[in-house]
Amino acid sequence: EAGVAQSPRYKIIEKRQSVAFWCNPISGHATLYWYQQILGQGPKLLIQFQNNGVVDDSQLPKDRFSAERLKGVDSTLKIQPAKLEDSAVYLCASSFQGEQFFGPGTRLTVL
Amino acid sequence: GDSVTQMEGPVTLSEEAFLTINCTYTATGYPSLFWYVQYPGEGLQLLLKATKADDKGSNKGFEATYRKETTSFHLEKGSVQVSDSAVYFCALTDTGRRALTFGSGTRLQVQP
Repeated sequence: EAGVAQSPRYKIIEKRQSVAFWCNPISGHATLYWYQQILGQGPKLLIQFQNNGVVDDSQLPKDRFSAERLKGVDSTLKIQPAKLEDSAVYLCASSFQGEQFFGPGTRLTVL
Repeated sequence: GDSVTQMEGPVTLSEEAFLTINCTYTATGYPSLFWYVQYPGEGLQLLLKATKADDKGSNKGFEATYRKETTSFHLEKGSVQVSDSAVYFCALTDTGRRALTFGSGTRLQVQP
């Protein structure tokens, strides 16, 4: 069974630029999560989708971050404009019967 | 809100030593508890879980018991191997909220 796919794996941008990350969850998984993991910390939830609807985006900085889940499958997370403090690994996860499966993450460096 | 506190690392052990990584939590409902592991260069993987008080999760020689009275879920292994070197995260999901709340992680280094 294929796992959660994410791209790109690495991205380096200048502050104030825009960036987008893509996630393809495991087939059939209705719930999709985006987490932000800053170096030395545990992952923190940004947004949770159930099919193509948002369940929880209370911790998403909506002035610069946006996310969508197309047709309840793939998802895109965007940052516009990026700040230095956005440097982190962005993890996508999908879940089935309560267990979350994580992708390899996208490491973002903002210079 | 919910929170998870883990012992700070790195934890450095010799091969075959006994491992304990402490984890305590704060939650408003009836959480499920998890340990995730992140090997170098790899993604997060579920190591074990427990969904109610007094449950014991186990996998690959690792164990953790859900202690409601002490709000703890300490990870133990009787004899660690070099291949166990990784970062270990304690996490929970609370009643009605399926997203994970993670601790800050504990790096384990096992020396031959």
